[in-house]
Amino acid sequence: DAGVTQSPTHLIKTRGQQVTLRCSPKSGHDTVSWYQQALGQGPQFIFQYYEEEERQRGNFPDRFSGHQFPNYSSELNVNALLLGDSALYLCASNRGGGKETQYFGPGTRLLVL
Amino acid sequence: DAKTTQPNSMESNEEEPVHLPCNHSTISGTDYIHWYRQLPSQGPEYVIHGLTSNVNNRMASLAIAEDRKSSTLILHRATLRDAAVYYCILILMDSNYQLIWGAGTKLIIKP
Repeated sequence: DAGVTQSPTHLIKTRGQQVTLRCSPKSGHDTVSWYQQALGQGPQFIFQYYEEEERQRGNFPDRFSGHQFPNYSSELNVNALLLGDSALYLCASNRGGGKETQYFGPGTRLLVL
Repeated sequence: DAKTTQPNSMESNEEEPVHLPCNHSTISGTDYIHWYRQLPSQGPEYVIHGLTSNVNNRMASLAIAEDRKSSTLILHRATLRDAAVYYCILILMDSNYQLIWGAGTKLIIKP
C-alpha cells in the first residue's frame, strides 16, 4: 500500500519564478493538506483540499494556491518566489475532510536563490 | 487562540523510559491531542492520539491529565532510532479539524 508521495524531492528556483509541487495521497484518502516547514521550525499549515475545493487556509498570501484533482492528488503553486519561501513543503492526506489521522509525505525541499 | 507548549529539547539514555511533556491549557472539550515525530530529512510520522483517557499502542503511551490541560508522551524503552523531534498537536474539532502544532521537542538519545 503506497503511502503519500511527493514530487520532486528537491528543487532550486530563483526569485520571481513560479513553482508547482505535486502530491499523491495515500490509497483510500480523499483529503490533502499542505504545510511549509522552515529549517528548525514546526510545520505551518498552508491550506487543505477536500472534494476538489479549498476548505480552509492558513496565514499565507495569495501567491500560494493549490488544486485538487478528481483522483484526489493535489498541486501546490507558488508564484513570484521570495527568498523566504525556501523551506520543506509537506503534503499530508487523510479521509473524510480531515477528521482522521494525517499521513505525511517525505516533502519537497525548495531552495530559492 | 489554541496552542501547545513543549520543551525545546530533552536527553535520555538508551533503553530507559522517556517522558515528553506538553502543555495545552487552552484546549477545548472536543479537541483531540495528537503526537507526531519527525526524523531528520523525513516527513512527520504519526505516533499516538487521545481525547480524555490514557492510550497505549505499540510505539508509545499517552497520559492525559484529568483537566486535559497537559499530556505526556511516554516511550517505554528509548532506542537510538527514537531520536527525533516530537510534536504535540491539537486537532480543533470545531474548526474544520485544524491542526495546531507546537514547536516540538528534540529528543536526544545517548548510547
